[in-house]
Amino acid sequence: DADVTQTPRNRITKTGKRIMLECSQTKGHDRMYWYRQDPGLGLRLIYYSFDVKDINKGEISDGYSVSRQAQAKFSLSLESAIPNQTALYFCATSGALETQYFGPGTRLLVL
Amino acid sequence: DQQVKQNSPSLSVQEGRISILNCDYTNSMFDYFLWYKKYPAEGPTFLISISSIKDKNEDGRFTVFLNKSAKHLSLHIVPSQPGDSAVYFCAATQGGSEKLVFGKGTKLTVNP
Repeated sequence: DADVTQTPRNRITKTGKRIMLECSQTKGHDRMYWYRQDPGLGLRLIYYSFDVKDINKGEISDGYSVSRQAQAKFSLSLESAIPNQTALYFCATSGALETQYFGPGTRLLVL
Repeated sequence: DQQVKQNSPSLSVQEGRISILNCDYTNSMFDYFLWYKKYPAEGPTFLISISSIKDKNEDGRFTVFLNKSAKHLSLHIVPSQPGDSAVYFCAATQGGSEKLVFGKGTKLTVNP
């Protein structure tokens, strides 16, 4: 079984809709992250959480919100989706060291 | 301003030869560097890392070299195999921050 899972794997939505991407991990890590990847660009950090009560904005947090429901779960929401949020979204986790472990990604298309 | 740069979008090598992927950084506060490999439809997978107190780290066919004075690191894959064909991301972080800054990636193709 995968250590980091993301649901859904693919999603098509319309402009203005609210959607939620979910991430779960079984690695027992405290730290969780959400990134987006655009074609030709590296991964950019949206939000990160060091524990359930600690949420921090990353490089590109505008238009997004997150919820850390439990140590193992970290959700990303797009309150009102827009076409330039079309991207590949990755969740990641890390323990005490810097190495981060990534989920398989969610491909989001906003029409 | 891009703090981690991978200036070659793509690289093609023959099976059995050496692959060298390069990465430059601008932030002198970075002290830990990582390479990730990404196959299509999968998330990035950690490959190898190096601390700024070292100038070389080796793991099987993969070796990362760090030149702090030049703010440059490279990943060497010897010998290259077709299964190494993937996008390789360089990432850097400042100790304790745990926020990784990624380069744009280099697509490696290893031809049989």
